Amino acid sequence: DIQMTQSPSSLSASVGDRVTITCRASQGITNYLAWIQQKPGKTPKLLIYAASTLQSGVPSRFSGSGFGTDFTLTISSLQPEDAASYYCQKYDGAPWTFGQGTKVEIK
Amino acid sequence: EEQLLESGGDLVQPGGSLRLSCAASGFICSNYGMSWVRQAPGKGLEWISAISGGRDNTFYADSVKGRFTISRDNSKNTLYLHLSSLGVEDTAIYSCATRIGVMLVWGPGTLVTVSS
Repeated sequence: DIQMTQSPSSLSASVGDRVTITCRASQGITNYLAWIQQKPGKTPKLLIYAASTLQSGVPSRFSGSGFGTDFTLTISSLQPEDAASYYCQKYDGAPWTFGQGTKVEIK
Repeated sequence: EEQLLESGGDLVQPGGSLRLSCAASGFICSNYGMSWVRQAPGKGLEWISAISGGRDNTFYADSVKGRFTISRDNSKNTLYLHLSSLGVEDTAIYSCATRIGVMLVWGPGTLVTVSS
């Protein structure tokens, strides 16, 4: 199975900071890569699919890039409501696999 | 607009069974592979099962193989997940999702709590 490796596992940043999370696939997955946001007590929220396509309703401060094995999620100006865990997900075929998650905290 | 909506989550005793539903709208779900994913409290996301488009081949994670069954009712455009021999470790939010081309569609999820 293809493994997804995310980094960092956690980060702490100030409001307004630019935040970057990376995800690496153990094999090429073209652009079948999604980013999921998870807040405590809430259901998972799809932020980005196809590596860089913003889901409807997601703020434009979120962006994604990458192709093949290396991917990035960027929050251009961190907001208090962005405190959450973020997961990358490959979905080119079963089994889908997820990164270990990155917990984003606000300083 | 393509949408998925799960239902059926409940409080169930250990050893019990439950059936989750995932109603699709805006597309014909039998044409596409569909999956179930779950997230246990304080844990990461876990893919647990998939059914292929067309031929209905099924796939399961080792953690649920032999206990969970994925199926689909094309007349109702609905995906199901039958959960049996439930343990406390199966407590989670269960979400259905599908890939349509490169687009990914997720449902909002339904909560299953296994507790005595």
